[in-house]
Amino acid sequence: DIQMTQSPSTLSASVGDRVTITCRASQSISSWLAWYQQKPGKAPKLLIYEASNLDSGVPSRFSGSGSGTEFTLTISSLQPDDFATYYCQQYNSYSRTFGQGTKVEIK
Amino acid sequence: EVQLVESGGGLVKPGGSLRLSCAASGFTFSSYHMNWVRQAPGKGLEWVSFTSTGSNIKSYADSVKGRFSISRDNAKNSLYLQMKNLRAEDTAVYYCVRETDAAYFDNWGQGTLVTVSS
Repeated sequence: DIQMTQSPSTLSASVGDRVTITCRASQSISSWLAWYQQKPGKAPKLLIYEASNLDSGVPSRFSGSGSGTEFTLTISSLQPDDFATYYCQQYNSYSRTFGQGTKVEIK
Repeated sequence: EVQLVESGGGLVKPGGSLRLSCAASGFTFSSYHMNWVRQAPGKGLEWVSFTSTGSNIKSYADSVKGRFSISRDNAKNSLYLQMKNLRAEDTAVYYCVRETDAAYFDNWGQGTLVTVSS
């Protein structure tokens, strides 16, 4: 099975900071990667699909890049609404795997 | 508006069984692959199971293989998860999740809590 490793696990940042989260796959997944945002007590929300495509309605400060085994999610200027936990997810073949999550906290 | 509403969660003893349901509306259910994803209290997301549109392809996480069974009824716009031989580590919120043609998850239900405890 494909394993997904996110780093860091926790990130402390201030409003306006540029934030980058990394996700590594244990084998190549081409661009079959999505990013989700989850707030406490809520279901996850899709942000980015196919590694770099922004879902409808997602602010342009979010961006994704990468292919193969290494991927990044970048928030260009952190806003108060962005403090949440972020997950990457691969969808290669018929199994899906999430990274362990990155919690973005207020510094 | 797409809606996915899970039900069937609750408290069950170790070794017991439970059947989760997901009622879908606002889209053509039979045209979408569906998944179950769970989240243990305070933990991350864990994919559980996948079913294709016509139920011909099903897959499971290793942690539930042989104990859980996914099914769907396209005539009733419903997704199910039959869970048997439940363990304490199966305690989690279970989400019903719609999958796009490109295999990412674009809509999630609100979740139903399953607690396995004696």
